[in-house]
Amino acid sequence: GAGVSQSPSNKVTEKGKDVELRCDPISGHTALYWYRQSLGQGLEFLIYFQGNSAPDKSGLPSDRFSAERTGGSVSTLTIQRTQQEDSAVYLCASSLGGIGSYEQYFGPGTRLTVT
Amino acid sequence: DQQVKQNSPSLSVQEGRISILNCDYTNSMFDYFLWYKKYPAEGPTFLISISSIKDKNEDGRFTVFLNKSAKHLSLHIVPSQPGDSAVYFCAASANYGQNFVFGPGTRLSVLP
Repeated sequence: GAGVSQSPSNKVTEKGKDVELRCDPISGHTALYWYRQSLGQGLEFLIYFQGNSAPDKSGLPSDRFSAERTGGSVSTLTIQRTQQEDSAVYLCASSLGGIGSYEQYFGPGTRLTVT
Repeated sequence: DQQVKQNSPSLSVQEGRISILNCDYTNSMFDYFLWYKKYPAEGPTFLISISSIKDKNEDGRFTVFLNKSAKHLSLHIVPSQPGDSAVYFCAASANYGQNFVFGPGTRLSVLP
């Protein structure tokens, strides 16, 4: 498909374990975003990539969260030593990234449950 | 402190009538705004956008109005259809597409 894909779609993990979430953006999109949506809440911005660099990491909630992007394409969000409050849907979005091209296209999300 | 607010958590409208979804923001530096629609178990879908140099943008049944002095924008859907039933998010950016701040969403129910 031509849309943003994310894997896994669901992840259940035990408290204290590390998890990796993957995002495949739309081909040619230089900008990539990670958000999370906790139950009953709106979307919370986590991090933004332009190419492989992340000019804005201000949304990462703690140093247990990190993200990288390689080859200007795939991105992984890593959560170390997961806590129950990390349970949420993690959404990835991409956009063309040029001036005037700010519309973001979202993937279906990864539902993370920390037990 | 919420920079983007959607004060109505839910809205019910009769099919064929107008739906008006409202969004207020506090940061006067916001210069670009988007509306998204989200169905359960899916990612948000882009609907329509508006930059701060305009006060209206129209796309089919969807029109977004921006009142910069009031720091308010609204999404009008005319006529409303049952398939429009979803959660609607407004989002704003202060630096043209880098960091977007989303509102908490409004759940729209269009009744047949």
